Parts: sequence; structure tokens; C-alpha cells
Amino acid sequence: GENVEQHPSTLSVQEGDSAVIKCTYSDSASNYFPWYKQELGKRPQLIIDIRSNVGEKKDQRIAVTLNKTAKHFSLHITETQPEDSAVYFCAASNAGGTSYGKLTFGQGTILTVHP
Amino acid sequence: KAGVTQTPRYLIKTRGQQVTLSCSPISGHRSVSWYQQTPGQGLQFLFEYFSETQRNKGNFPGRFSGRQFSNSRSEMNVSTLELGDSALYLCASSFGPGAYEQYFGPGTRLTVT
Repeated sequence: GENVEQHPSTLSVQEGDSAVIKCTYSDSASNYFPWYKQELGKRPQLIIDIRSNVGEKKDQRIAVTLNKTAKHFSLHITETQPEDSAVYFCAASNAGGTSYGKLTFGQGTILTVHP
Repeated sequence: KAGVTQTPRYLIKTRGQQVTLSCSPISGHRSVSWYQQTPGQGLQFLFEYFSETQRNKGNFPGRFSGRQFSNSRSEMNVSTLELGDSALYLCASSFGPGAYEQYFGPGTRLTVT
């Protein structure tokens, strides 16, 4: 089955810096890669996603890049703000295929943005 | 649109008991997936339902089961509770039959004593 590795497990940055979180996946059939942000005591919130027919997607200060050949994808947050502090999860799925609604998640990255 | 809702939000049970958790998806969403979240294992997939059919199941024992109703609401049941079942149980809904764009509910925090 699919396996997703996420690095780093913790990331500490100064406000205004950029943050990058990286994930690798094992199943070449995976074609959908969402990122979730989970604040303490809250539900995971879908912040951006990318499909395998696209190499990069951007939404304001966040962007995701995908390298299908190397089987890795990354989340980039620019101009970080204290409210970006949270746990970030990457996930992978063979959406529309054999995954049938199953997302396989990475272990999460605790991002701390210091004012 | 109202978001995904889950009831109850908190639950304390004793070992050996059983529990039923409920999930109401976003209006119009027909797929419901369930996940268990623990500090040690992270987010792990339990099962997924679409049009009242379980289409996928994760690596959990048979004590974990679920169902989906014709209005897309879903329930999961855990029988013969063990201490290790203590976790946050999250459901997520999506519009179609794939895993695209899943939106999570607030979760049910289950504590087994």
C-alpha cells in the first residue's frame, strides 16, 4: 500500500521567513496530493491540493510543487505569520481509482512562527 | 453550506463497552471517510462509504465497523473497547466517489478507561 514520509517533524521560523515542508510517497499510482493544516484542538483544514497532471499550484502565500518522477511534493509558505503556526499534514491518494476515499497521511510537521 | 458535523464531541467509556459515533456530511456530499488520530500513529484511515456501500477499509480489527444511511449520514461503531482505542475519531466528506477534496468534521474525542 501507499506510504507517505514527511519532513521535517518540527520547523521553527521567524515571522516573515519562508517555510518548506517535504513529503515523499511510494505508490506511483497516486494522483492526488492535499495538504491540511490543523490548529490545536481544531479539525484538519484543507489548505491546498494538487493533482498529478499539474507541477505547481499557488494560492496567495502558499504553494505546492509536485515531482512525479521523484515521487515527492512540497508545501511552501512565504511571508510566514504567527497564525500560520499549526501542524501541517500531507497526504496522497489514488483518487478516482483504487483508493476509494482513502487518504494516506504523513506524520505531520509542527510549524512554529516566532513573532 | 454547513460544514461536517460529528456527535458526540466527547465520550468517556469503560473497557469492554461499545460506542457509536455519528457523522453528518456537507449537504450534497455522498462520500464519508473515517479516520483515527492518535499522537503515536497520526491519522489512519478506517473506512469509506459511498452510496451506502463500504468501498474501502483500513487495517483495523473487526471491532471497528460502520454504515451509511440513504441521506449520506454515517455512523461508526467500536465494540469491546480497549484502552488503545482512545483517540480522536474524525470523519471527512467529499462530493464524489474519489478521495478528492475531503472536508473534516470536528471529531469525537473518545477516552477509554
